[in-house]
Amino acid sequence: SAVISQKPSRDICQRGTSLTIQCQVDSQVTMMFWYRQQPGQSLTLIATANQGSEATYESGFVIDKFPISRPNLTFSTLTVSNLSPEDSSIYLCSVTRTSGVDEQFFGPGTRLTVL
Amino acid sequence: SQQGEEDPQALSIQEGENATMNCSYKTSINNLQWYRQNSGRGLVHLILIRSNEREKHSGRLRVTLDTSKKSSSLLITASRAADTASYFCATDGKAAGNKLTFGGGTRVLVKP
Repeated sequence: SAVISQKPSRDICQRGTSLTIQCQVDSQVTMMFWYRQQPGQSLTLIATANQGSEATYESGFVIDKFPISRPNLTFSTLTVSNLSPEDSSIYLCSVTRTSGVDEQFFGPGTRLTVL
Repeated sequence: SQQGEEDPQALSIQEGENATMNCSYKTSINNLQWYRQNSGRGLVHLILIRSNEREKHSGRLRVTLDTSKKSSSLLITASRAADTASYFCATDGKAAGNKLTFGGGTRVLVKP
């Protein structure tokens, strides 16, 4: 398995500001993903973080709102921009070691509350 | 819309009883994975079952997969209070690469 850490673990932010979440893995991984989990809901994939190139976003998510970086094989950041109360969610990063059929491991999540 | 639908949405049982939850999906899959989430924390990977497998065991967990019915079940035997959590199925569609699509989840409460 992979050991994944996320920073911060939680934050309370004001409307209109931005929050950057970091995801660090203890070893090199092939795929990194970012998910959102709204209160009481399941997980929804935001984007696939691609090393050295622009992330691949899912329908309904755009780069201006959720810019993502992945400078190397063990680290990625997700920024949630221009925050509104509707962005209050848990944000989780996940990784797989291969690009094929593989177990996906999740970080502990970042709980964001927007006032 | 989500690929997976889980049933029931919530389940309350006594410690020692078995808990069964089901997951249905809509399109062809490469594999199906089950995860546990304790109280809004990160997800813990439980089991991955591939599309050519029918049953898999891991400790007190038993997962079945019926691709003809596009459904899977997770059985937790001899449940413990520590099994209280939300359980999610997630499918990896043939056209979606590694991207997982999650079901709505089943909230399980195991009463001591």
